[in-house]
Amino acid sequence: DIVMTQGALPNPVPSGESASITCQSSKSLLYSDGKTYLNWYLQRPGQSPQLLIYWMSTRASGVSDRFSGSGSGTDFTLKISRVEAEDVGVYYCQQFLEFPLTFGSGTKLEIK
Amino acid sequence: QVQLTESGPGLVHPSETLSLTCTVSGFSLTGYSVYWVRQPSGKGLEWMGRMRYNGDTSYNSALKSRLSISRDTSKNQVFLKMNSLQTDDTGTYYCTRDPRGYYFDYWGQGVMVTVSS
Repeated sequence: DIVMTQGALPNPVPSGESASITCQSSKSLLYSDGKTYLNWYLQRPGQSPQLLIYWMSTRASGVSDRFSGSGSGTDFTLKISRVEAEDVGVYYCQQFLEFPLTFGSGTKLEIK
Repeated sequence: QVQLTESGPGLVHPSETLSLTCTVSGFSLTGYSVYWVRQPSGKGLEWMGRMRYNGDTSYNSALKSRLSISRDTSKNQVFLKMNSLQTDDTGTYYCTRDPRGYYFDYWGQGVMVTVSS
Protein backbone atom coordinates (compact mmCIF):
# COMPACT_ATOMS: atom_id res chain seq x y z
CA ASP A 1 0.00 0.00 0.00
CA ILE A 2 1.14 3.57 -0.68
CA VAL A 3 1.79 5.37 2.59
CA MET A 4 0.96 9.08 2.74
CA THR A 5 2.80 11.08 5.39
CA GLN A 6 1.67 14.60 6.26
CA GLY A 7 3.54 17.29 8.16
CA ALA A 8 2.21 19.40 10.98
CA LEU A 9 1.56 23.14 11.10
CA PRO A 10 2.95 25.53 13.74
CA ASN A 11 -0.50 26.29 15.09
CA PRO A 12 -2.05 28.71 15.56
CA VAL A 13 -1.27 30.51 12.33
CA PRO A 14 -1.82 34.30 12.45
CA SER A 15 -4.66 35.48 10.27
CA GLY A 16 -3.34 36.90 7.01
CA GLU A 17 -0.15 34.85 7.08
CA SER A 18 0.66 31.97 4.73
CA ALA A 19 0.65 28.31 5.69
CA SER A 20 2.22 25.35 3.89
CA ILE A 21 1.24 21.73 4.44
CA THR A 22 3.54 18.97 3.27
CA CYS A 23 2.66 15.48 2.14
CA GLN A 24 5.00 12.69 1.12
CA SER A 25 4.10 9.47 -0.66
CA SER A 26 6.01 6.18 -0.42
CA LYS A 27 5.74 5.75 -4.19
CA SER A 28 5.80 8.20 -7.07
CA LEU A 29 2.29 9.32 -7.96
CA LEU A 30 3.31 10.42 -11.44
CA TYR A 31 1.50 8.28 -13.99
CA SER A 32 2.42 7.58 -17.59
CA ASP A 33 -0.27 10.00 -18.80
CA GLY A 34 1.73 12.86 -17.27
CA LYS A 35 -0.69 13.47 -14.41
CA THR A 36 0.27 13.20 -10.76
CA TYR A 37 -2.60 11.60 -8.87
CA LEU A 38 -2.41 13.52 -5.64
CA ASN A 39 -5.49 15.29 -4.25
CA TRP A 40 -6.06 17.65 -1.33
CA TYR A 41 -9.23 17.92 0.75
CA LEU A 42 -10.34 20.16 3.60
CA GLN A 43 -12.64 18.88 6.30
CA ARG A 44 -14.09 21.77 8.27
CA PRO A 45 -15.33 21.00 11.79
CA GLY A 46 -18.50 18.96 11.67
CA GLN A 47 -18.53 18.78 7.88
CA SER A 48 -17.75 16.31 5.10
CA PRO A 49 -14.42 16.62 3.30
CA GLN A 50 -14.39 18.95 0.31
CA LEU A 51 -12.08 18.84 -2.68
CA LEU A 52 -9.50 21.62 -2.92
CA ILE A 53 -6.84 20.45 -5.38
CA TYR A 54 -6.66 17.51 -7.76
CA TRP A 55 -3.88 16.18 -10.00
CA MET A 56 -1.42 17.82 -7.57
CA SER A 57 -1.97 21.39 -8.74
CA THR A 58 -5.42 21.89 -10.32
CA ARG A 59 -7.80 23.91 -8.17
CA ALA A 60 -11.30 22.50 -7.90
CA SER A 61 -14.24 24.54 -9.07
CA GLY A 62 -15.14 27.35 -6.69
CA VAL A 63 -11.97 27.03 -4.61
CA SER A 64 -10.23 30.29 -3.71
CA ASP A 65 -7.01 31.10 -5.56
CA ARG A 66 -5.40 31.46 -2.13
CA PHE A 67 -5.01 27.67 -2.32
CA SER A 68 -2.27 26.24 -4.49
CA GLY A 69 -0.73 22.81 -4.89
CA SER A 70 2.75 21.88 -6.04
CA GLY A 71 5.28 19.10 -5.83
CA SER A 72 7.20 16.34 -7.50
CA GLY A 73 6.34 12.66 -7.81
CA THR A 74 6.62 11.94 -4.10
CA ASP A 75 6.78 15.28 -2.26
CA PHE A 76 3.87 17.67 -2.27
CA THR A 77 2.89 21.00 -0.76
CA LEU A 78 -0.44 22.71 -0.27
CA LYS A 79 0.04 26.42 0.24
CA ILE A 80 -2.64 28.62 1.75
CA SER A 81 -2.00 32.32 1.23
CA ARG A 82 -3.46 34.90 3.62
CA VAL A 83 -5.18 32.41 5.90
CA GLU A 84 -8.70 33.28 7.01
CA ALA A 85 -11.01 32.02 9.71
CA GLU A 86 -12.93 29.89 7.19
CA ASP A 87 -9.75 27.89 6.44
CA VAL A 88 -9.86 26.23 9.86
CA GLY A 89 -10.12 22.46 9.73
CA VAL A 90 -8.15 19.35 8.88
CA TYR A 91 -6.40 19.02 5.53
CA TYR A 92 -5.89 15.60 3.95
CA CYS A 93 -3.78 14.53 1.02
CA GLN A 94 -4.85 11.45 -0.91
CA GLN A 95 -3.29 9.30 -3.60
CA PHE A 96 -5.45 8.06 -6.44
CA LEU A 97 -2.74 6.20 -8.34
CA GLU A 98 -3.68 2.71 -7.23
CA PHE A 99 -5.88 0.69 -4.92
CA PRO A 100 -6.11 0.75 -2.02
CA LEU A 101 -6.65 4.49 -2.15
CA THR A 102 -4.91 6.00 0.85
CA PHE A 103 -5.06 9.28 2.72
CA GLY A 104 -2.58 11.11 4.88
CA SER A 105 -3.37 11.28 8.58
CA GLY A 106 -4.47 14.90 8.29
CA THR A 107 -3.02 18.28 9.21
CA LYS A 108 -4.97 20.58 11.50
CA LEU A 109 -5.03 24.31 10.85
CA GLU A 110 -5.90 26.72 13.63
CA ILE A 111 -6.04 30.48 13.19
CA LYS A 112 -4.89 33.13 15.66
CA GLN B 1 -27.56 19.57 -8.76
CA VAL B 2 -25.35 16.69 -7.67
CA GLN B 3 -26.24 15.20 -4.31
CA LEU B 4 -25.31 12.06 -2.41
CA THR B 5 -27.22 11.07 0.71
CA GLU B 6 -26.26 8.24 3.03
CA SER B 7 -28.83 6.46 5.17
CA GLY B 8 -28.80 3.55 7.56
CA PRO B 9 -29.09 2.54 11.19
CA GLY B 10 -27.28 4.64 13.75
CA LEU B 11 -26.68 1.68 16.05
CA VAL B 12 -25.46 -1.81 15.21
CA HIS B 13 -24.69 -4.56 17.69
CA PRO B 14 -21.31 -6.31 17.68
CA SER B 15 -21.07 -9.23 15.24
CA GLU B 16 -24.09 -7.98 13.28
CA THR B 17 -24.23 -6.70 9.69
CA LEU B 18 -24.21 -3.04 8.69
CA SER B 19 -26.38 -2.03 5.75
CA LEU B 20 -26.05 1.47 4.30
CA THR B 21 -27.62 3.14 1.28
CA CYS B 22 -26.24 6.00 -0.78
CA THR B 23 -28.96 7.70 -2.80
CA VAL B 24 -27.68 9.96 -5.54
CA SER B 25 -29.25 12.66 -7.66
CA GLY B 26 -28.05 14.95 -10.41
CA PHE B 27 -26.03 12.26 -12.14
CA SER B 28 -26.30 8.68 -13.35
CA LEU B 29 -24.67 5.70 -11.68
CA THR B 30 -23.92 4.33 -15.15
CA GLY B 31 -21.80 7.37 -15.89
CA TYR B 32 -19.92 7.92 -12.64
CA SER B 33 -18.27 5.78 -10.00
CA VAL B 34 -19.31 5.96 -6.35
CA TYR B 35 -16.97 5.19 -3.49
CA TRP B 36 -17.40 4.51 0.21
CA VAL B 37 -15.04 6.16 2.69
CA ARG B 38 -15.24 5.92 6.45
CA GLN B 39 -13.86 7.92 9.34
CA PRO B 40 -13.51 6.43 12.81
CA SER B 41 -14.51 8.97 15.43
CA GLY B 42 -11.79 11.60 15.80
CA LYS B 43 -9.55 9.90 13.25
CA GLY B 44 -8.64 10.05 9.58
CA LEU B 45 -10.20 8.83 6.35
CA GLU B 46 -10.18 5.23 5.14
CA TRP B 47 -11.20 4.11 1.66
CA MET B 48 -13.52 1.11 1.78
CA GLY B 49 -14.57 0.27 -1.75
CA ARG B 50 -15.88 1.36 -5.12
CA MET B 51 -18.88 0.78 -7.35
CA ARG B 52 -17.59 1.60 -10.82
CA TYR B 53 -19.88 3.16 -13.44
CA ASN B 54 -19.88 -0.14 -15.39
CA GLY B 55 -20.93 -2.18 -12.35
CA ASP B 56 -17.49 -3.49 -11.39
CA THR B 57 -16.54 -3.39 -7.72
CA SER B 58 -13.23 -2.98 -5.90
CA TYR B 59 -12.57 -3.35 -2.20
CA ASN B 60 -9.95 -2.42 0.34
CA SER B 61 -8.21 -5.71 1.04
CA ALA B 62 -8.30 -4.93 4.76
CA LEU B 63 -12.10 -5.13 4.62
CA LYS B 64 -12.69 -7.34 1.59
CA SER B 65 -13.72 -10.44 3.47
CA ARG B 66 -16.49 -8.52 5.26
CA LEU B 67 -17.59 -6.03 2.64
CA SER B 68 -20.02 -6.05 -0.25
CA ILE B 69 -21.06 -3.14 -2.48
CA SER B 70 -23.95 -3.31 -4.93
CA ARG B 71 -26.32 -0.93 -6.69
CA ASP B 72 -29.78 -0.42 -8.13
CA THR B 73 -29.45 1.96 -11.04
CA SER B 74 -33.22 2.32 -11.42
CA LYS B 75 -33.40 3.73 -7.91
CA ASN B 76 -30.11 5.67 -8.13
CA GLN B 77 -28.83 3.83 -5.10
CA VAL B 78 -25.55 2.24 -4.07
CA PHE B 79 -25.52 -0.20 -1.16
CA LEU B 80 -22.85 -1.14 1.34
CA LYS B 81 -23.05 -4.26 3.49
CA MET B 82 -20.38 -5.14 6.00
CA ASN B 83 -20.63 -8.09 8.34
CA SER B 84 -19.09 -9.07 11.66
CA LEU B 85 -19.04 -5.51 12.95
CA GLN B 86 -16.86 -4.67 15.92
CA THR B 87 -16.53 -1.59 18.10
CA ASP B 88 -13.66 -0.22 16.02
CA ASP B 89 -16.05 -0.02 13.04
CA THR B 90 -17.74 2.87 14.87
CA GLY B 91 -17.51 6.10 12.91
CA THR B 92 -18.95 8.16 10.09
CA TYR B 93 -19.50 6.55 6.72
CA TYR B 94 -19.45 8.65 3.56
CA CYS B 95 -20.28 7.99 -0.06
CA THR B 96 -18.54 10.14 -2.63
CA ARG B 97 -18.31 10.53 -6.38
CA ASP B 98 -15.44 10.33 -8.84
CA PRO B 99 -16.20 12.33 -11.99
CA ARG B 100 -13.85 10.00 -13.91
CA GLY B 101 -10.94 12.20 -12.98
CA TYR B 102 -9.57 10.14 -10.10
CA TYR B 103 -10.63 12.49 -7.34
CA PHE B 104 -13.74 12.95 -5.19
CA ASP B 105 -15.71 16.02 -6.21
CA TYR B 106 -18.94 15.53 -4.22
CA TRP B 107 -19.46 13.93 -0.84
CA GLY B 108 -22.53 12.98 1.12
CA GLN B 109 -23.15 14.44 4.55
CA GLY B 110 -22.13 11.15 6.13
CA VAL B 111 -23.97 8.75 8.42
CA MET B 112 -22.76 8.08 11.94
CA VAL B 113 -22.68 4.41 12.90
CA THR B 114 -22.12 3.22 16.45
CA VAL B 115 -21.27 -0.39 17.15
CA SER B 116 -22.31 -1.19 20.68
CA SER B 117 -24.20 -3.77 22.66
